[in-house]
Amino acid sequence: KNQVEQSPQSLIILEGKNCTLQCNYTVSPFSNLRWYKQDTGRGPVSLTIMTFSENTKSNGRYTATLDADTKQSSLHITASQLSDSASYICVVSPGSNYQLIWGAGTKLIIKP
Amino acid sequence: NAGVTQTPKFRVLKTGQSMTLLCAQDMNHEYMYWYRQDPGMGLRLIHYSVGEGTTAKGEVPDGYNVSRLKKQNFLLGLESAAPSQTSVYFCASSYKGHTQYFGPGTRLTVL
Repeated sequence: KNQVEQSPQSLIILEGKNCTLQCNYTVSPFSNLRWYKQDTGRGPVSLTIMTFSENTKSNGRYTATLDADTKQSSLHITASQLSDSASYICVVSPGSNYQLIWGAGTKLIIKP
Repeated sequence: NAGVTQTPKFRVLKTGQSMTLLCAQDMNHEYMYWYRQDPGMGLRLIHYSVGEGTTAKGEVPDGYNVSRLKKQNFLLGLESAAPSQTSVYFCASSYKGHTQYFGPGTRLTVL
């Protein structure tokens, strides 16, 4: 069964600190992996999208990594800001945009 | 550009009532989607459309119907609402298989 599992479920860190969120997937075939940010009460917003051949991709203070061999991805946030408080969702595509497998997300809280 | 808009933002229904959720996008995207998001779960695809006049079932289509009469609009209908349909509904659009852009969501409660 195609699955995307994220850890931790929730995380609290102090403003200015770095953090890393994890994503493990069992999806086959594999086309691409995406990270979305979802603010409370809003729709998800795309951060990065990586194909099989890409190991890392950055978007400002967000850096996503992909290890297709171990089927793991991580999202690293550098120098966190209060506006980073949100849920971060890992999404894997097996090949078509209407077959996306969504993780349940990691809820990140940044404290001043 | 407004992007993807959804109406209404909130709605409370009684069991058995019907309603229609409207999604509109101004990005000229071919593909549109309806998802539901429930606590502790990933988004689940209800229905999707790959072009005007076409629709298809997603992962959880039962109890919902959709229509795509115009390229920019995608309607989601609940004919006879049930408490299990209490959820947050998101519409999204994309240029084919590329990044999906989401609306702000509709929070629906069925009593």
